Amino acid sequence: EPEVTQTPSHQVTQMGQEVILRCVPISNHLYFYWYRQILGQKVEFLVSFYNNEISEKSEIFDDQFSVERPDGSNFTLKIRSTKLEDSAMYFCASSFNSNRVQPQHFGDGTRLSIL
Amino acid sequence: GESVGLHLPTLSVQEGDNSIINCAYSNSASDYFIWYKQESGKGPQFIIDIRSNMDKRQGQRVTVLLNKTVKHLSLQIAATQPGDSAVYFCAEILNNAGNMLTFGGGTRLMVKP
Repeated sequence: EPEVTQTPSHQVTQMGQEVILRCVPISNHLYFYWYRQILGQKVEFLVSFYNNEISEKSEIFDDQFSVERPDGSNFTLKIRSTKLEDSAMYFCASSFNSNRVQPQHFGDGTRLSIL
Repeated sequence: GESVGLHLPTLSVQEGDNSIINCAYSNSASDYFIWYKQESGKGPQFIIDIRSNMDKRQGQRVTVLLNKTVKHLSLQIAATQPGDSAVYFCAEILNNAGNMLTFGGGTRLMVKP
């Protein structure tokens, strides 16, 4: 069964450094998403991406965050200058939406630890 | 303010019994709902979805019920197995919020052999 894959599984970064989290969505999906889950808390929406541009973003997704689809398969989340509070699990998801909303399928996440 | 760390409600069931996990939502404009299962160290795994024009939807061993009058969603798992042990989240999409999923706090299901 096709799945969303994310790399790395664990990223440790010094505060203030840039980090890039990578995702390969399911191949025929058109919508891509990033969510995060701080330890012990709810999964929170960050951003959705369609047709090579951001379609929605939450308040969490400030100027420190950016997303990109650099080629036909990868979807990345960049955090420019990481803060301690960015430590969380980051999940990528994708969906095939036509004229109706379809389920979002998630990867297994990247655990980001900021020191 | 919101406390750090979410205390998850826990449902403990005997293997073979049926499980019912509940979720309340607050926004009557929500028109699409999904149940996800999350095992330790893994991402949310899609179980079943339901649109607001339906009351019930069945999958393999799972049934989702939607009561729009009281804004309540439930997930029923028949003949619960040890492999069903996980945290279960309901999530919703508002009809004017594009594709943004809003997750609930989750329920931990523990299956006793």
